[in-house]
Amino acid sequence: EPEVTQTPSHQVTQMGQEVILRCVPISNHLYFYWYRQILGQKVEFLVSFYNNEISEKSEIFDDQFSVERPDGSNFTLKIRSTKLEDSAMYFCASSATVNQETQYFGPGTRLLVL
Amino acid sequence: SQQGEEDPQALSIQEGENATMNCSYKTSINNLQWYRQNSGRGLVHLILIRSNEREKHSGRLRVTLDTSKKSSSLLITASRAADTASYFCATDPSNTGKLIFGQGTTLQVKP
Repeated sequence: EPEVTQTPSHQVTQMGQEVILRCVPISNHLYFYWYRQILGQKVEFLVSFYNNEISEKSEIFDDQFSVERPDGSNFTLKIRSTKLEDSAMYFCASSATVNQETQYFGPGTRLLVL
Repeated sequence: SQQGEEDPQALSIQEGENATMNCSYKTSINNLQWYRQNSGRGLVHLILIRSNEREKHSGRLRVTLDTSKKSSSLLITASRAADTASYFCATDPSNTGKLIFGQGTTLQVKP
């Protein structure tokens, strides 16, 4: 069964450093998402992406964040200058259509900012 | 309260018993999804129920949706220790794919 994959599974970085989280969505899906989950809290939407542009973003997704689909398979989330409060689990998801449709989530990248 | 709230927050049962979790939401929806998350792991999609459906089954899972009460329930029958996880409902009230998750119900199934 096709699945969403994410790399790395864990990332430790120093405050102020840039990180890139990578995702390979399910191959025939057209809509891509990033969510995050701070430890002990609920899953929060960050951004949705379709047709090579951002469809919607949350208040969390400020200028320090960017997303890109550099080729036909990868979907990346970049945090330019990490802060301590960026420590969280980051999930990528994809869906075939935008609504009325299941979003399939990857296993997540656990980011720790020191 | 926020869109997508589950109750109870925590539930502990014996293997073989049934587990029922509830979710309430505030705005109208086209569908509601349930996900499972094992500790520290990713979200696994369990079931999607559309607003014109009242009940849906998948294996040992039964989901109901009452749009008049803006609530949904997830029933896991004949629970197993492997069902131990957190369970979340999620809705997309804006129909843009932006899923709103609740805080989740943490289920512990004791062997």
